[in-house]
Amino acid sequence: NAGVMQNPRHLVRRRGQEARLRCSPVKGHSHVYWYRQLPEEGLKFMVYLQKENIIDESGMPKERFSAEFPKEGPSILRIQQVVRGDSAAYFCASSPGSSGRTEKLFFGSGTQLSVL
Amino acid sequence: AQSVSQHNHHVILSEAASLELGCNYSYGGTVNLFWYVQYPGQHLQLLLKYFSGDPLVKGIKGFEAEFIKSKFSFNLRKPSVQWSDTAEYFCVHGGSQGNLIFGKGTKLSVKP
Repeated sequence: NAGVMQNPRHLVRRRGQEARLRCSPVKGHSHVYWYRQLPEEGLKFMVYLQKENIIDESGMPKERFSAEFPKEGPSILRIQQVVRGDSAAYFCASSPGSSGRTEKLFFGSGTQLSVL
Repeated sequence: AQSVSQHNHHVILSEAASLELGCNYSYGGTVNLFWYVQYPGQHLQLLLKYFSGDPLVKGIKGFEAEFIKSKFSFNLRKPSVQWSDTAEYFCVHGGSQGNLIFGKGTKLSVKP
């Protein structure tokens, strides 16, 4: 009964490089959410995906950030040309499906991105 | 804009003291309220949730929360804390699209 798996746990990048964060949801879950936790702030919603579809990306920065959740394989959060301000902990959560309520989300342990 | 406000950034208590963490939310629509806990080095876990019904909600590990509609509040309580309750606590409101609005979190340190 593996929970939500995120990797890597820690990721160090230099400014201008690309960062790829992976999230494998709980087996059988088809909904994935990405959140970002900046230092001294709460978790901020970024994007909500179902298999092969982006449902809500209202929290995603307009540039350099993208997310996907393919039919097979993990969900990927991709950050191009990283800047120091991207340094944060990125959390992924999954749920079985949505009935219009966010009932129970299962969270991963997060990926700590550090941009040098 | 929807928001969740947690009153305390850091709370320090001795074991056996009573705990109350304040939370206020601004969204006036459907109520989906949660308290999550993050123990050091671990992922977020759900403590309790409220959608409707009895405004006094019992959660895991002896925690409870009271929903007061007139005050837009959802405070977390525990009568007697333990050292193992040291963690960060997040008050969360669920939006209609599945997004979650998090408070900034309250760090609880319990001295043995």
